Amino acid sequence: QQQVKQSPQSLIVQKGGIPIINCAYENTAFDYFPWYQQFPGKGPALLIAIRPDVSEKKEGRFTISFNKSAKQFSLHIMDSQPGDSATYFCAARVSSARQLTFGSGTQLTVLP
Amino acid sequence: EADIYQTPRYLVIGTGKKITLECSQTMGHDKMYWYQQDPGMELHLIHYSYGVNSTEKGDLSSESTVSRIRTEHFPLTLESARPSHTSQYLCASSEPGTSYEQYFGPGTRLTVT
Repeated sequence: QQQVKQSPQSLIVQKGGIPIINCAYENTAFDYFPWYQQFPGKGPALLIAIRPDVSEKKEGRFTISFNKSAKQFSLHIMDSQPGDSATYFCAARVSSARQLTFGSGTQLTVLP
Repeated sequence: EADIYQTPRYLVIGTGKKITLECSQTMGHDKMYWYQQDPGMELHLIHYSYGVNSTEKGDLSSESTVSRIRTEHFPLTLESARPSHTSQYLCASSEPGTSYEQYFGPGTRLTVT
């Protein structure tokens, strides 16, 4: 099973809030979990990524939490800003596979 | 910012026309990909290439075809466009040895009337 399930579909928070986007997977062979950020009219860009041997990774205001036993991972955005308003995609990859499997995306709006 | 380019950015065309969407990258990446993305929806892989003269179909069935005659160039062609082809098409590339980080172009938004 290659599917990655992402929720919520959309999310609205106030500036300074901490939006959380969740993803779940079934395939235990996945070994790489990136998050992509996409602004309107642009292609997705890699934001942050994690491997299953760690439970958390931080890069600036962005944090990935990974729960291997539950087969879930999530993106947290600390002190969110209006400039963070974008669509966020989680993804997963099996090392032997040739492509990423993407979640369905979350449209985040951060209100000023 | 990644050096991957797509033209045209927007295209409105009538049913039955042949179209080619261009994708070029200047990073020397071996692997290149085409994704189809409907508004607010996930990305679906339709074609990929591991190098010159190597092309394969992705998970999502597509009536489009691709070619890879040069490393930097990966065009996508629709022989006869139909309204069902209306979508955004994203091209991406990744470095040799890993497809973990994919660099995306800005996309081509295609509308077939």
